[in-house]
Amino acid sequence: AQSVAQPEDQVNVAEGNPLTVKCTYSVSGNPYLFWYVQYPNRGLQFLLKYITGDNLVKGSYGFEAEFNKSQTSFHLKKPSALVSDSALYFCAVRPGGYNKLIFGAGTRLAVHP
Amino acid sequence: DGGITQSPKYLFRKEGQNVTLSCEQNLNHDAMYWYRQDPGQGLRLIYYSQIVNDFQKGDIAEGYSVSREKKESFPLTVTSAQKNPTAFYLCASSARRVTDGTEAFFGQGTRLTVV
Repeated sequence: AQSVAQPEDQVNVAEGNPLTVKCTYSVSGNPYLFWYVQYPNRGLQFLLKYITGDNLVKGSYGFEAEFNKSQTSFHLKKPSALVSDSALYFCAVRPGGYNKLIFGAGTRLAVHP
Repeated sequence: DGGITQSPKYLFRKEGQNVTLSCEQNLNHDAMYWYRQDPGQGLRLIYYSQIVNDFQKGDIAEGYSVSREKKESFPLTVTSAQKNPTAFYLCASSARRVTDGTEAFFGQGTRLTVV
């Protein structure tokens, strides 16, 4: 079965420290990979995507993500966390040959002052 | 402003009633999607539509129905056959099919509660 795993329900980080939110996937073909962020009672906002090319992609608000094909991972990173980064983060994958997105369960990021 | 508008933001339904959630976009996107969000389960696809007058079932279509009579509109009806309808519903759209790598844009969601 095709799936996306976000192994951590919650990640706690001190403001100013680097953050990583993990995502691994198990899908067919060459996937397209996405990260979205959700604030309380709001829709999802697009952060970044990997389609092809450089394995390190940069996105909105200083976030970046690294695609690792051998480890089937697409971890979200930021060098210096802000309290305002606290939100729910979703990894999503479009498997090769499919025209729909498969979402992970989400990881809640809490950045403490 | 361009975007996706979902209405209402909050909706209460009595058991046994059908209810329709509205989703309108002015982004001129071809594809539209409905997702259901439950705590700890991520987003699950209910229905999607690639073009007007065509739509496909997603992973959890039972108890739901949709129509796509206009490019900008993709309403979702939650029928009385849906056994556990209380959830947060998200509508999304994309410029082309997701197969092209285009990201999806989301509305602000409708929280449906069965009372």
